[in-house]
Amino acid sequence: QSVLTQPPSVSAAPGQKVTISCSGSSSNIGINYVSWYQQLPGTAPKLLIYDTNKRPSGIPDRFSGSKSGTSATLGITGLQTGDEADYYCGTWDSSLSGLLFGGGTKLTVL
Amino acid sequence: QITLKESGPTLVKPTQTLSLTCTFSGFSLSTSGVGVGWIRQPPGKALEWLALIYWNKDYHYSPSLKSRVTITKDTSKNQVVLTMTNMDSVDTATYYCARTHYYDSRLDYWGQGTLVTVSS
Repeated sequence: QSVLTQPPSVSAAPGQKVTISCSGSSSNIGINYVSWYQQLPGTAPKLLIYDTNKRPSGIPDRFSGSKSGTSATLGITGLQTGDEADYYCGTWDSSLSGLLFGGGTKLTVL
Repeated sequence: QITLKESGPTLVKPTQTLSLTCTFSGFSLSTSGVGVGWIRQPPGKALEWLALIYWNKDYHYSPSLKSRVTITKDTSKNQVVLTMTNMDSVDTATYYCARTHYYDSRLDYWGQGTLVTVSS
C-alpha cells in the first residue's frame, strides 16, 4: 500500500476534463515539490509535471498540476484517446529520506 | 541528448545477488545537483523507488529494501550500479534507472527498463 494515495481509475469522454488526486502527508507533499508521470502501455514512465505545476518542454498545456496542503492534483483538459495511460504522482518524503510514488491511476478515455 | 540504459541479467535464481548497470550519456554525475535513481515495477503493479545516488556521493535507499540494496557510481564511466542481494520471486519486475535532481527530486529522463525474472 502506497504512502501517497491515488484513485485506482478515472474515466471521461474525449474532449472533457479530468482530475487525478494524490494525497500525502506533512512530511512529503506538504513540504516538497510534486512530480507527475505518464506511463503509456508497455513504455517507461515520462515526466509530465515537475515542481508541482511546471511542464517540461514538449508537454502540452492541457496538462496542469496544483497542490493544496498535503494533496496534489493533476488536471487534463481536452482529453484525447492518446491520453489513456497510467499516471503516477511522486515526491520526496523528508521523514523517510526517500522518494515516494502513488499507487497509480489508470485513465480511460471513453 | 540525454539517454539512460539499464543492463544486467534477465533471469536470476532465488537467493542470488542481482547486479544492474545504468549507463548514461548527455549529462555528468559530477554536475552539482544531479543524481541517478533506480525504480522498479512488478508486472501489472505500481512504481516502487529503490535507491538513488547524487553527484556528491550522497545516497538514499528505500527503507523497506535498505538491508538488501547498494548503489554505487563510476563518474568516469557514466555508470551507476545497483546491487540487490537475496533475490526472491517477489522481486520479479522491470527495473528502471532515471536521472534525478537534488533540488526537486524529479525524475526527468528514464531508461527503457529491463525485465528481471527471479525463478529457479
